Amino acid sequence: EVQLVESGGGLVQPGGSLRLSCAASGFTFSDFYMDWVRHAPGKGLEWVARTRDKGSSYTVEYATSVKGRFTISRDDSNNSLYLQMNSLKTEDTAVYYCARAGVGTRYFDYWGQGTLVTVSS
Amino acid sequence: DIQLTQSPSFLSASVGDRVTITCRASQDINNYLAWYQQKPGKAPKLLISAASTLQSGVPSRFSGSGSGTEFTLTISSLQPEDFATYCCQHLRSYPLTFGGGTKVEIK
Repeated sequence: EVQLVESGGGLVQPGGSLRLSCAASGFTFSDFYMDWVRHAPGKGLEWVARTRDKGSSYTVEYATSVKGRFTISRDDSNNSLYLQMNSLKTEDTAVYYCARAGVGTRYFDYWGQGTLVTVSS
Repeated sequence: DIQLTQSPSFLSASVGDRVTITCRASQDINNYLAWYQQKPGKAPKLLISAASTLQSGVPSRFSGSGSGTEFTLTISSLQPEDFATYCCQHLRSYPLTFGGGTKVEIK
């Protein structure tokens, strides 16, 4: 069974940093692109970042709103995905989901349960 | 960036109703579109990929159609478990974007 379990969310002040983790199991993690998607209160879903697999040289993509502040990374040996978030803003407050992008299709076929990040003074 | 505009943003319907949700893209995205269902406090669930491909395990009352800039999600006979928020997402280019969502509520 595919499982994605996020952790690392919490309350942080504006300008602060936080690192999210996503533990994956039930599939060959190294074969898949992985993404972070967030859902802010009262708003729609927003894609945040993508890391491709080893075959695509682990290249990454970012949403304009987080480029230069967030860094996505992965550790295939530990089946883990990460999101380092720096210079956090109040508008980064959201539930952050780890999502698997299906092989070939690249749509988000499995999601974690989410971890809440609150940026507030 | 490619913008996705969903309509309506809110829909009130009864069990058994046929429901249609529209997603319009700001530029041609071919068929690189997915539909997700999200219930409160839960992660989104992929219903349809490539505009019309039903995911395994998704009831056949759900269907998707369209290409280019206009897409639709249809629920042929609304069931109690279908009351949720539905959103579209494109995969045509980066950044990936989602539509604003359509909340389907019980009439």
